[in-house]
Amino acid sequence: AQKVTQAQTEISVVEKEDVTLDCVYETRDTTYYLFWYKQPPSGELVFLIRRNSFDEQNEISGRYSWNFQKSTSSFNFTITASQVVDSAVYFCALSEAGGSARQLTFGSGTQLTVLP
Amino acid sequence: DGGITQSPKYLFRKEGQNVTLSCEQNLNHDAMYWYRQDPGQGLRLIYYSQIVNDFQKGDIAEGYSVSREKKESFPLTVTSAQKNPTAFYLCASSTELGSYTFGSGTRLTVV
Repeated sequence: AQKVTQAQTEISVVEKEDVTLDCVYETRDTTYYLFWYKQPPSGELVFLIRRNSFDEQNEISGRYSWNFQKSTSSFNFTITASQVVDSAVYFCALSEAGGSARQLTFGSGTQLTVLP
Repeated sequence: DGGITQSPKYLFRKEGQNVTLSCEQNLNHDAMYWYRQDPGQGLRLIYYSQIVNDFQKGDIAEGYSVSREKKESFPLTVTSAQKNPTAFYLCASSTELGSYTFGSGTRLTVV
């Protein structure tokens, strides 16, 4: 069975601080995808990144960066120089890579509040 | 623009009443999904469908039913057997390469 753990339920930071959101996963699959989504108060899920289990390269996109470490089954997300608009719930998710319908298994989410 | 349309945005249900949530996509995706989100929790899978006229139960299917008569449509019915239906419901679809698209959700409240 797949499992995603986001141990941080809530995080508060002051604007311009860096913040890291932790994600630890469990899966028996040898190939899988990892995702991060942002959910603002309006409720829709905003896709941030998808990472293939074959690719352990870290990725940077503007103020966002992701650290994928297969050895520790972690896929952590860092926001550099946080802004108030970053306030949202962030979800880490996992899916197998094969098959035509791949269920996403979500973590319980981390509520990030960025204070001005 | 391609995407997923969920309606209604807000829905109120009386005790013992069945209600149907609509989900339509124009992305030509084969796979579609329904997720439920409770406050402070992640999304849990209710049902999913890989192809027309086929669907599978997810982790929390009890009290729900679905149909997949058309590729574009995957409606979810919340039946009276669902004892605690108040939640936020999200529909999604995906490509074979694992790229997901989510709708904007329906908030269901029992009154």
